[in-house]
Amino acid sequence: SQQGEEDPQALSIQEGENATMNCSYKTSINNLQWYRQNSGRGLVHLILIRSNEREKHSGRLRVTLDTSKKSSSLLITASRAADTASYFCATELTGRRALTFGSGTRLQVQP
Amino acid sequence: DAGVIQSPRHEVTEMGQEVTLRCKPISGHNSLFWYRQTMMRGLELLIYFNNNVPIDDSGMPEDRFSAKMPNASFSTLKIQPSEPRDSAVYFCASSLPGQGTDTQYFGPGTRLTVL
Repeated sequence: SQQGEEDPQALSIQEGENATMNCSYKTSINNLQWYRQNSGRGLVHLILIRSNEREKHSGRLRVTLDTSKKSSSLLITASRAADTASYFCATELTGRRALTFGSGTRLQVQP
Repeated sequence: DAGVIQSPRHEVTEMGQEVTLRCKPISGHNSLFWYRQTMMRGLELLIYFNNNVPIDDSGMPEDRFSAKMPNASFSTLKIQPSEPRDSAVYFCASSLPGQGTDTQYFGPGTRLTVL
């Protein structure tokens, strides 16, 4: 089964609104990363948060990590039509360098 | 930097044929990963290499799949014989651990269709 499960599976908002996506995982991690995938394209790294961090910002992105609840959230503020994409959380498990991806959230930002 | 390069971008083949996917990682990166993406199973790790040595191939579905990394700048993923259920997008990614980040950089993928 997927290490990371994301919620919601799909999200549709208006331009200018904030978008929040959540990710839950099952086992101990070194770090958690968020990636974006535009339709038909490869994945682009957005942000990485380590297991000893609780919050991280990058431009309009804010990521939180709660290791006690094994969950993370990605907040995109003031969304734009160009943010339309699928967003994946990925965990690097303790002792294993490769990433385990969640099922993704499809975000649609209406202009 | 050119980023991770994959070829071909699209491959259509018939069941039973051999398929070879190629990847050139970012220069200087010493870890390379092969992933597969399908609607049903999402993104799955197939195998990864560190310094050209396979470290974890537990995701390779069966003996029909094999991967090699003969040098630091080239890797192949081979499927022989191919089956329709192998149809997917195959991604290669590379990273340089130990630099304070474990970011993986993905290639554009190879869309494989097995008829």
